[in-house]
Amino acid sequence: EDQVTQSPEALRLQEGESSSLNCSYTVSGLRGLFWYRQDPGKGPEFLFTLYSAGEEKEKERLKATLTKKESFLHITAPKPEDSATYLCAVQSNAGKSTFGDGTTLTVKP
Amino acid sequence: DAGVIQSPRHEVTEMGQEVTLRCKPISGHNSLFWYRQTMMRGLELLIYFNNNVPIDDSGMPEDRFSAKMPNASFSTLKIQPSEPRDSAVYFCASSLTGLAEQFFGPGTRLTVL
Repeated sequence: EDQVTQSPEALRLQEGESSSLNCSYTVSGLRGLFWYRQDPGKGPEFLFTLYSAGEEKEKERLKATLTKKESFLHITAPKPEDSATYLCAVQSNAGKSTFGDGTTLTVKP
Repeated sequence: DAGVIQSPRHEVTEMGQEVTLRCKPISGHNSLFWYRQTMMRGLELLIYFNNNVPIDDSGMPEDRFSAKMPNASFSTLKIQPSEPRDSAVYFCASSLTGLAEQFFGPGTRLTVL
């Protein structure tokens, strides 16, 4: 059974304080690893897709990396508007998606 | 594009009643997914369709749950009879292909009393 574990469950940062979120996974044939952002009362919003170990993607203050066992979402100099829950998901070769429980990030001004 | 459209946005019903949730995917997307989100279990995949055909329904919790996709622009998730433990936010998502990123709707918040 595919599994995704995200840590920490919650993270509180001061504005400008960089940090990383972790996503550990086991999957029967990785087709892709996805990062989403979810704001309260809304559906998840796509951020990145990573397909193979060593791949990196960047978008503004966010950078996602991938190894064979885990992915990191690095947040550089975060701002209060980066506060959200960040979800990691893996898609297997069979096409099935499994989501982690998310990391809730709070950035204080 | 308007994005994925779900209706109703909120549904309050009594135990034993039938509930039907509706979803209109993004035009041109070939894959559609139904998820359920709760505090206890997080975001769970219930079923997904490729080209209107159900591919994997192993996440559907019980026979009380059923999903259909009669055409490329409409899908329903039905719960009959509903139970209080079905209370959750139900999301519909679509993607261009089964391998691409998913675009989520705003969700339907279901409360079963």
